[in-house]
This record gives sequence, structure tokens and C-alpha cells, in this order.
Amino acid sequence: QKEVEQDPGPLSVPEGAIVSLNCTYSNSAFQYFMWYRQYSRKGPELLMYTYSSGNKEDGRFTAQVDKSSKYISLFIRDSQPSDSATYLCAMSGRETSYDKVIFGPGTSLSVIP
Amino acid sequence: EAGVTQFPSHSVIEKGQTVTLRCDPISGHDNLYWYRRVMGKEIKFLLHFVKESKQDESGMPNNRFLAERTGGTYSTLKVQPAELEDSGVYFCASSHDLASEQFFGPGTRLTVL
Repeated sequence: QKEVEQDPGPLSVPEGAIVSLNCTYSNSAFQYFMWYRQYSRKGPELLMYTYSSGNKEDGRFTAQVDKSSKYISLFIRDSQPSDSATYLCAMSGRETSYDKVIFGPGTSLSVIP
Repeated sequence: EAGVTQFPSHSVIEKGQTVTLRCDPISGHDNLYWYRRVMGKEIKFLLHFVKESKQDESGMPNNRFLAERTGGTYSTLKVQPAELEDSGVYFCASSHDLASEQFFGPGTRLTVL
């Protein structure tokens, strides 16, 4: 079993739709949960960061972590064509939050105008 | 402020040849990470430098890979001799400290024929 599972998509939605991206994981030691966005031919960039269980909101983006179910989600409201990218969930269980990050395989998202 | 830069952006070599990838981190970032993504797989951690010292090299696949960071500034990752399965995208990331966000470079796409 992989440490982090993520539906690779591709996912295609119309502009303005609500997008839900999800990951499951197996290692209960993970404490820090991140979502990265990666545009084509670019490196990943950090989008959201959450410690332990709970919700975090930043503009149109909401990250949710449910440690009891080992399940994390990213919601994008009012999706825009500029949101078209690959979204990678990532997590870490080390003493410091960003050390040795474990990535999911990524979900490819296309937002159609 | 300049971001993480990587050179070359793309390298095509034949099996058995040697390739050296370079990463220039953000100025002042002591932590430097190498990751790679092989075809169809997730981004995986290779190793972590703190200044010029290797903090964690548990992700290095085998002894054909050699990473250096002389002087604690830029880093090189040498693959010698390259094998077909080494093909993929090699990312470098840097951070100010272990509790800070890792900023990723655009990656080097390595193709071994």
C-alpha cells in the first residue's frame, strides 16, 4: 500500500464550479498536511498548509484534514481557468513541519472557460 | 528575490554516460533538498543538505548518485553511469530553516536513452 493515495484524474470542470480534491494516507504519524499546485514545466508551489486535524481557509481555497479517517481534502470555490494545474497533496510526520515531505501522485485539473 | 534555479532545464544522454545537475537555492537558505519524479510516479525525496552537510540521504536510490554542496551554496547531483530508469524530473528545493516552506525550482528533465 502506498503511503499517500490520490486520484490522478484528469478532472475537468466548467468555470465557476466547486472543485473537490482528495487524498488518503496510511501513516498515522503524519502531522503536517500540505497542498501544492504545479503548473506545466514549473516546480510545485505551496498552496495550503495545515497542522493536524481541522479546516483552513484562504480566499477561494479550503483545506480539510480528518486524521481519524486519514483523509484530506482541498476545495476550490468559483474555479477559474488559471486554476488549471496539477494539485499535489503532501504530508510530513517529522518533528519539523517541512522535513522530508511525502507527496501524493497529483491530480490534474482543467477548468474550462 | 530570485527563486531556486536549476540547470540544465533538460538533458538527454545515453545509457552509461554521466550527467551533472545543478541547483542554486534562494540566497540565505541553509536547507537544500533534492527530489525526483520518475514517469507515472509521485515526487520522491532524495536527500537534504543543511549548509554543506548531508542531513538525510535516505532517499538516494543507489551509489550511482552523488550529491555535493561545497561551501554550502549551490549543489550538484551527479549520476554516473546513468541508467534508463533514471529518466524523470529532478527537483531542487530550498528553505530558510526546517520549519519554513520549501521553495521548489522548475526542475531538470533527464532523459536517458
